[in-house]
Amino acid sequence: DTGVSQNPRHKITKRGQNVTFRCDPISEHNRLYWYRQTLGQGPEFLTYFQNEAQLEKSRLLSDRFSAERPKGSFSTLEIQRTEQGDSAMYLCASSLSGREAYGYTFGSGTRLTVV
Amino acid sequence: RKEVEQDPGPFNVPEGATVAFNCTYSNSASQSFFWYRQDCRKEPKLLMSVYSSGNEDGRFTAQLNRASQYISLLIRDSKLSDSATYLCVVNPLMGGFKTIFGAGTRLFVKA
Repeated sequence: DTGVSQNPRHKITKRGQNVTFRCDPISEHNRLYWYRQTLGQGPEFLTYFQNEAQLEKSRLLSDRFSAERPKGSFSTLEIQRTEQGDSAMYLCASSLSGREAYGYTFGSGTRLTVV
Repeated sequence: RKEVEQDPGPFNVPEGATVAFNCTYSNSASQSFFWYRQDCRKEPKLLMSVYSSGNEDGRFTAQLNRASQYISLLIRDSKLSDSATYLCVVNPLMGGFKTIFGAGTRLFVKA
């Protein structure tokens, strides 16, 4: 296990199209997080899973956004009807409950450009 | 007021210098604190956790001041490789999941 893996690394899409990103966390990590980061800003929390349960969603996550973690392993983040304002780096992170002092491990991110 | 605030910098320092960053947070009930490092166009990586008693890891020292609601990071003997953005991170609850990231402080270390 080499860490958190995200695919694709880059995605360019036309406005109005749907996109889906995948995150494979560290295998023993039961917690998975999605963040969004724009230039010059820190990562902003989007949503959180513990195992397969989605326990929190940010107000940033509009109805066009949906995330799943069907078997408590990998997760997908889908954006429907993309808008130019969705252009950002989408970061996935994972952690193990009870080991919060060790922080999160982030994936390399998916950079989305909506044209 | 932002939940976590940092001076965006940039801090431009020569090699060997000592540099310090501060970060303030608004939620007095916050429980756990971290510094992450982020290189340009890369993902954030944990630099160190910040403990109430303060902690040191090599050239890096982190301090927490709960009364004034700020945390600090001190880098001694700066190296060129320390050039990065340093993100202040706060968890509102022990074991909480809605981690709040500051916008980061940019550091450039020059030869």
